[in-house]
Amino acid sequence: AIQMTQSPSSLSASVGDRVTITCRASQGIRNDLGWYQQKPGKAPKLLIYAASSLHSGVPSRFSGSGSGTNFTLTISSLQPEDFATYYCLQDYNYPFTFGPGTKVDIK
Amino acid sequence: EVRLVESGGGLVQPGGSLRLSCAASGFSFSDYWMSWVRQAPGKGLEWVANIKEDGSQKNYVDSVKGRFTISRDNAENSLHLQMSSLGAEDTAVYFCVRDPRGRPPDYWGQGTLVTVSS
Repeated sequence: AIQMTQSPSSLSASVGDRVTITCRASQGIRNDLGWYQQKPGKAPKLLIYAASSLHSGVPSRFSGSGSGTNFTLTISSLQPEDFATYYCLQDYNYPFTFGPGTKVDIK
Repeated sequence: EVRLVESGGGLVQPGGSLRLSCAASGFSFSDYWMSWVRQAPGKGLEWVANIKEDGSQKNYVDSVKGRFTISRDNAENSLHLQMSSLGAEDTAVYFCVRDPRGRPPDYWGQGTLVTVSS
């Protein structure tokens, strides 16, 4: 199975900050990568698919980039509602695998 | 509006069985793959299984192969997960997720909690 890693595992940031989260795959996955946001007690929400495409209804402050093995999720200006845990997912092959998550909390 | 509502979770003894269901609405269910994803308490997400639009292809994570069976009823717009030989490691919230072909799973239900304990 493809292993997904994320860094950092957690970060503290302030409203208005630019935040970047990195995801790395153990082998090349083209651009078959999604990013999810999850708040405590809630279901995850898809933010980005195909590494850089914004899912319907997601604010434009979220963006994704990368291909192959290295990917990034960027929040251009952190908003109060963005404090959450973020996961990457490879849907290149089975079994689909998630990264361990990055928790973004308030500095 | 896409709506996915899971049911069937609960407390089950080790070695026992449980069947989860998911009622789908707001989209053409038979046009989509569907997945189950789980999350152990305080842990990350784990993709469990998915099933093709017509039920002819199924995929599973190794840890559940031979124990879990995914199925669907397109006439009833429902997805199911039959779980057997349950162990403590299967304790989790189980999410039903729409799985568009060529894209990662997009819309999620709110989940149903399965607790395996004596």
